[in-house]
Amino acid sequence: EVQLLESGGGLVQPGGSLRLSCAASGFIFSSYAMSWVRQAPGKGLEWLSAISGSGYSTYYADSVRGRFTISRDNSKSTLYLQMNSLRAEDTAIYYCAKLPATPNGVWMYYFDYWGQGTLVTVSS
Amino acid sequence: QSALTQPRSVSGSPGQSVTISCTGASSDVGNYNYVSWYQQPPGKAPKLMIYDVNKRPSGVPDRFSGSKSGNTASLTISGLQAEDEADYYCCSYAGSYTWVFGGGTKLTVL
Repeated sequence: EVQLLESGGGLVQPGGSLRLSCAASGFIFSSYAMSWVRQAPGKGLEWLSAISGSGYSTYYADSVRGRFTISRDNSKSTLYLQMNSLRAEDTAIYYCAKLPATPNGVWMYYFDYWGQGTLVTVSS
Repeated sequence: QSALTQPRSVSGSPGQSVTISCTGASSDVGNYNYVSWYQQPPGKAPKLMIYDVNKRPSGVPDRFSGSKSGNTASLTISGLQAEDEADYYCCSYAGSYTWVFGGGTKLTVL
């Protein structure tokens, strides 16, 4: 059974940093691209970032490029999101999500499993 | 990367059908057959309901169906049930390994 468990959320002051983690199990972690998606309180979903299975390729939404860094440790089956220069508008629940792949390892363009999310609150 | 446009709310009675629209642009919905839909009950994580415009993952009832015409995708739920009450989000691949979501639609089962 695929499981994704986020951690690392909490209260941080504006301008501060936080690192989120997503522990994966139930699948061969290194074979799949992963992504981060967030949801501000009472708002919709916003795609933030994606990373290839190897970790060599990373992609970002304009809203977080240059401030957030996605990475992964395949030996630990864990996905990370390093968030710097945090702003009040970054307050949200942060979800990690798995992307499926074809038998050839080509990304498929949707999110088949999601974690339960971790809440990040940016406030003084 | 502008959000896709969805109606804020839709409603229907048990047994009826409802359709949720999702309007994007020629750079996302109109350019790729990679529209997906997610169901999110209050306080829970999103769940995949439709992918690649009209494909259903195993376990999703066939009451859920998807379609696309031009820059607009649609999710239709037939035979509405009380358990279908949730927020629904569309998502489109937007090229260069980026994605864009809709603002979400609250489905109320009357």
